[in-house]
Amino acid sequence: DGGITQSPKYLFRKEGQNVTLSCEQNLNHDAMYWYRQDPGQGLRLIYYSQIVNDFQKGDIAEGYSVSREKKESFPLTVTSAQKNPTAFYLCASTPGRWQSYGYTFGSGTRLTVV
Amino acid sequence: GEDVEQSLFLSVREGDSSVINCTYTDSSSTYLYWYKQEPGAGLQLLTYIFSNMDMKQDQRLTVLLNKKDKHLSLRIADTQTGDSAIYFCAESPSSGYSTLTFGKGTMLLVSP
Repeated sequence: DGGITQSPKYLFRKEGQNVTLSCEQNLNHDAMYWYRQDPGQGLRLIYYSQIVNDFQKGDIAEGYSVSREKKESFPLTVTSAQKNPTAFYLCASTPGRWQSYGYTFGSGTRLTVV
Repeated sequence: GEDVEQSLFLSVREGDSSVINCTYTDSSSTYLYWYKQEPGAGLQLLTYIFSNMDMKQDQRLTVLLNKKDKHLSLRIADTQTGDSAIYFCAESPSSGYSTLTFGKGTMLLVSP
C-alpha cells in the first residue's frame, strides 16, 4: 500500500544534539512538507519542497534543516539551535507542485528533549 | 497574512449533531478543508469544498461555506464516540502554492 512512513515514532534528544527525523513516501508525490504541532497551536509549516533538490522555508524554519536528494525522501534535522524542539512533527506530501488537495500525512514523530 | 480561527473545544452526546465552526481571512482562498486527527496520529482528510460552492454533503458530513462572511462549518450528523478527535480547518491560497494554513483545531468530545 502507498503511503508516508515517518520514523522513529518516538525520539529523545539531549540538549545540544542534532537529530534527524525520517520521512519516506512511495506515492510518487512531487511535493513534501514538514509541520510542527504543539498543543493548542495547530500545525505550523517548517519547510517544504516542491521538487527534488529544491526546498523553501516555512513560517518557523529557524533551527531546522532539510534536504531533498530523492523524490521519495525528505528528512528533517532538528539542530541544537532550535531552542524548544519538544513537539509532534508531521510530514506530508501532495501529488503536484502547485496543488493543495490530496495532502497525505504520515503518522508523526514525537520528539522530546531530555 | 492568512489566519484561520476555530473554537478550541466542543462536547456533545452520542447521537446528537455536532457543528464545528471556522473563520478565515484570505478572501482569495480556493479550497477549504476539514481534517481529523485521532490521538497520536497524523491528519486524515475528511472533506473539502471549493470556494465557488455553498454546501457539500458526504454521508454524515455537511460542509457549509459562507464566502461573504468567510465562515466555514462542518456538521457531523448522528455523532458517535468514534468521532471524538481534533478537527482542523485549513485553507489554501490562490497564489498557486500548495501550502495550507491550518487553524488550531477543535477538540470534539462525544460522550455516551
